[in-house]
Amino acid sequence: DQQVKQNSPSLSVQEGRISILNCDYTNSMFDYFLWYKKYPAEGPTFLISISSIKDKNEDGRFTVFLNKSAKHLSLHIVPSQPGDSAVYFCAASAIQGAQKLVFGQGTRLTINP
Amino acid sequence: DTGVSQNPRHKITKRGQNVTFRCDPISEHNRLYWYRQTLGQGPEFLTYFQNEAQLEKSRLLSDRFSAERPKGSFSTLEIQRTEQGDSAMYLCASSLYSGQIQYFGPGTRLTVT
Repeated sequence: DQQVKQNSPSLSVQEGRISILNCDYTNSMFDYFLWYKKYPAEGPTFLISISSIKDKNEDGRFTVFLNKSAKHLSLHIVPSQPGDSAVYFCAASAIQGAQKLVFGQGTRLTINP
Repeated sequence: DTGVSQNPRHKITKRGQNVTFRCDPISEHNRLYWYRQTLGQGPEFLTYFQNEAQLEKSRLLSDRFSAERPKGSFSTLEIQRTEQGDSAMYLCASSLYSGQIQYFGPGTRLTVT
């Protein structure tokens, strides 16, 4: 039962353009959503998050959008830079209890010069 | 402020042997999590501590796995009688009780031959 899904295993974007990574979830109890970036042989690095009471959160080049009715969130990176090439994971948690993270399968983003 | 650290970074062991991993969380983070990541998948929750109390365990955590967090500081994850299916990246994360952002360590890559 995959509660968090990232349907695109990979994405290739030209340097300077916008990268859009998508994520869908099924569990209505999720109320906090996070994006992590992961380089090979390293642990996930926190990028940006959003609470379910908001529909947008922005931090520099990174913006996360949340559409609760569609149970969908997206991460926009603009402008994309070569250093953004990595695997991006979407994660969700519920504020009650352990707040354990449920991750998607990841999307490998490649930024081409 | 140092981040989450994990030791060892790599472990190769023969099937049937016992292994132990250590995680040192960010100081003053009272929540500590263990996750497991296999190739092509996102991290999956294993277990969670609040201070020294282990409050939740996943069904993934068979009885060959045991985790401790004595005195609410560092944590250890032990796998007894390792099997080839235990080969994975074991990730540790920590957070504040009041926070929903988890910060991950670099992980321990286990290879069971």
